[in-house]
Amino acid sequence: DGGITQSPKYLFRKEGQNVTLSCEQNLNHDAMYWYRQDPGQGLRLIYYSQIVNDFQKGDIAEGYSVSREKKESFPLTVTSAQKNPTAFYLCASSIGRREGRDEQFFGPGTRLTVL
Amino acid sequence: AQKITQTQPGMFVQEKEAVTLDCTYDTSDPSYGLFWYKQPSSGEMIFLIYQGSYDQQNATEGRYSLNFQKARKSANLVISASQLGDSAMYFCAMREVQTGANNLFFGTGTRLTVIP
Repeated sequence: DGGITQSPKYLFRKEGQNVTLSCEQNLNHDAMYWYRQDPGQGLRLIYYSQIVNDFQKGDIAEGYSVSREKKESFPLTVTSAQKNPTAFYLCASSIGRREGRDEQFFGPGTRLTVL
Repeated sequence: AQKITQTQPGMFVQEKEAVTLDCTYDTSDPSYGLFWYKQPSSGEMIFLIYQGSYDQQNATEGRYSLNFQKARKSANLVISASQLGDSAMYFCAMREVQTGANNLFFGTGTRLTVIP
């Protein structure tokens, strides 16, 4: 079955700790994305990658870091510099067409809680 | 300025009736795409329907259709014959082609509740 997996589903972190969220896709998509969702809000873009070994900051990149060493994987690290990291994190991927329809497919999400 | 505005925080609809969820957008890019996603309580985002800025006809996908009014910059989602399983959050999103990036701008969503 093709799709996007995120792990873990729930994550608890102590203040001051870095934590890495996993995102893997087997859809052979070039582009991958990380979004953050706060309660009652829409999604905001953290980072995106249009191709392996390249990534760009989104609207709220401060306190986060990513890597894209393999096409299938786009892990997100939430660092201790992120002031308010408690949120729901969603990973997505798309073919990466420059124009036209390029719908993003989403993983099930990781709910991060800072204690 | 907000790129995507969804003014209805919550909507109720009777089962088997149709419902319209509003979405207005703001962009100066002549080439853009509009998307609707459904988010059930499980949290996963499910793609529903797409409308390109140059598409002449309104998009349809099964029970979902998009009422696209380009001059008014609105892209309202119409769900026909509502089912209990349609109860969820619905998000409108936009992609601007000229930026060269594929990322989406999302609205704040509308919570739809289908009443039996």
